[in-house]
Amino acid sequence: KQEVTQIPAALSVPEGENLVLNCSFTDSAIYNLQWFRQDPGKGLTSLLLIQSSQREQTSGRLNASLDKSSGRSTLYIAASQPGDSATYLCAVNLSGGYNKLIFGAGTRLAVHP
Amino acid sequence: DAGVIQSPRHEVTEMGQEVTLRCKPISGHNSLFWYRQTMMRGLELLIYFNNNVPIDDSGMPEDRFSAKMPNASFSTLKIQPSEPRDSAVYFCASIWGQGTEAFFGQGTRLTVV
Repeated sequence: KQEVTQIPAALSVPEGENLVLNCSFTDSAIYNLQWFRQDPGKGLTSLLLIQSSQREQTSGRLNASLDKSSGRSTLYIAASQPGDSATYLCAVNLSGGYNKLIFGAGTRLAVHP
Repeated sequence: DAGVIQSPRHEVTEMGQEVTLRCKPISGHNSLFWYRQTMMRGLELLIYFNNNVPIDDSGMPEDRFSAKMPNASFSTLKIQPSEPRDSAVYFCASIWGQGTEAFFGQGTRLTVV
């Protein structure tokens, strides 16, 4: 059974810091891994999608890496801003004929001025 | 496209009543997912469909929960009878093809009193 773990569960940092959020998964048989952002009381917004054959994806100040063999992904946020405060979730899409997204519990990030 | 559309956004109902949540996936997407989110358990996959066919409903908590997808543009999640412990945010998501980006609706916040 695929299990997805995110560390740390919560993080509070001053503005301007570079951050690393971690995601690990137990089964490397995946199509891809996707990082989402969720603001309080809102839905999930897709940030980055990394296919299993890729090593990393970048969007603006965000960079996500994937090491499928070790079952790890990291989300790197450069020069954090208060607007980055949210919960960040990773999800793996299991391979095996059908799409099936399994989520981690998320990392709750607070960036203070 | 307007994205994944869920209705209603908020639902308050009395214990024992029937509740129906609705989802319209993005046009052309062939995979549809229902999730439940609570503080205690995070995002739980309830059921997912591929080409309108239920593939895995092992996450449905009890027989009180049922889901249908009568066509490619509409799905329902029904709870009958509802109980206070069903209070949560229910999300619908859709994916095109296999291993592509998942898109989420804004969710339905269900409160059972």
